[in-house]
Amino acid sequence: QVQLQESGLGLVKPSQTLSLTCTVSGDSISSGGFFWNWVRQHPGKGLEWVGYMYYRGNSYYNPSLQSRVTISVDSSKNQFSLTLRSVTVADTAVYFCARGWAGRGRLDSWGQGTLVTVSS
Amino acid sequence: SYLLTQPPSVSVAPGQTASIICGGDNIGSKSVHWYQQKPGQAPILVVYDDTVRPSGIPERFSGSNSESTATLTIARVVAGDEADYYCQVWDSTTDHPVFGAGTKVTVL
Repeated sequence: QVQLQESGLGLVKPSQTLSLTCTVSGDSISSGGFFWNWVRQHPGKGLEWVGYMYYRGNSYYNPSLQSRVTISVDSSKNQFSLTLRSVTVADTAVYFCARGWAGRGRLDSWGQGTLVTVSS
Repeated sequence: SYLLTQPPSVSVAPGQTASIICGGDNIGSKSVHWYQQKPGQAPILVVYDDTVRPSGIPERFSGSNSESTATLTIARVVAGDEADYYCQVWDSTTDHPVFGAGTKVTVL
């Protein structure tokens, strides 16, 4: 059974860079047929897709964040990472990583989520 | 970008049936997935590909999809079903997942 776990700093200053890592266990991130996602949730709000990547493939980002976001993979550690640059208070949210199935796009396994607060 | 519409809230008495709708342009031609999220927890996939229940999800949860509306139905509702429910599809035009705004189910 695949498990995902987010890690990273919970407090980031405005204009700085948010960096989170998702560690995957129980499955290889390099196995085909899956895509690896970041989803965020502002306090009291709904789910917002941030972006995803295929192993050895392209990355896709929410158009509203595209200029500031990068998702990358470290297959040796079975991890993928989120980098969000030039953050503002509007980026304060719980960030989830999730595994998605290519094709019809369901997200079947999620990390527990990690709260990132942007504040000076 | 593709839009999904959900009612903000649904209230249901214990033992009754809750129906949560998700609207979208020609949504019947897409595969719809449903997630349950309780406060402070990660979403859990409860139905995928319109009607399929993942292992471990009670049979009380079922899904349907036709034309412009997809529906998640929870039969014999219990207090533990109180949660936010999100529908999701794949937008093949932009190649990314799209979520509905979520429906809060309250058990009276």
